Amino acid sequence: SYVLTQPNSVSVAPGKTASITCGGNNIGSKSVHWYQQKPGQAPVLVIYYDSARPSGIPERISGSNSGNTATLTISRVDAGDEADYYCQVWDSSSDHWVFGGGTKLTVL
Amino acid sequence: EVQLVESGGGLVQPGRSLRLSCAASGFTFDDFAMHWVRQAPGKGLEWVSGITWNSGTIVYADSVRGRFTISRDNAKNSLYLQMNGLTAEDTAFYFCAKGRGRQVALIPDHWGQGTLVTVSS
Repeated sequence: SYVLTQPNSVSVAPGKTASITCGGNNIGSKSVHWYQQKPGQAPVLVIYYDSARPSGIPERISGSNSGNTATLTISRVDAGDEADYYCQVWDSSSDHWVFGGGTKLTVL
Repeated sequence: EVQLVESGGGLVQPGRSLRLSCAASGFTFDDFAMHWVRQAPGKGLEWVSGITWNSGTIVYADSVRGRFTISRDNAKNSLYLQMNGLTAEDTAFYFCAKGRGRQVALIPDHWGQGTLVTVSS
């Protein structure tokens, strides 16, 4: 089955840019989606189809996908961005949704 | 506003069954696929099952296939998950999620708050 690999944690200073990667075999050929989950809350979709933003998601949150790595980028990070972030793809070979293991973003 | 409210969670003994429900509102329920996703306490997200708008296609994660059954009642705007043969590894928050369209391959874009299932003797 298809495997998505994320770093366990990423730390960034306020005002700086955070990059969270999601690795997978030829992931660039798939559509990647990203969720943000804060403690005690349900996940919220922040990026879909690699780089599209749902309404209400700020422009400083962006996504890209190429080769074997997809990346979620959050610029001008603030304390409100502290959360777990999950990437997700549809694996058409198995008809399964697949999640990455999640990355905890810490704002220093 | 899309609202998804799960219910039916609780403490259950290993080997027993439990049925989860999800009440949907704020959108045309029978125009969208629906999903169940779970999260063990302190762990990551695991997709469990999905069902198309008309129940024509149903898919399961390998970890639950043969034990769990997803279903929906479009007349009642409700989604269900029948869970049989529960084990401790099924202990998790179970989230109901709405797809972006009729097919299960379209991204879940709204989630409920979840209901906790604890499997323990």
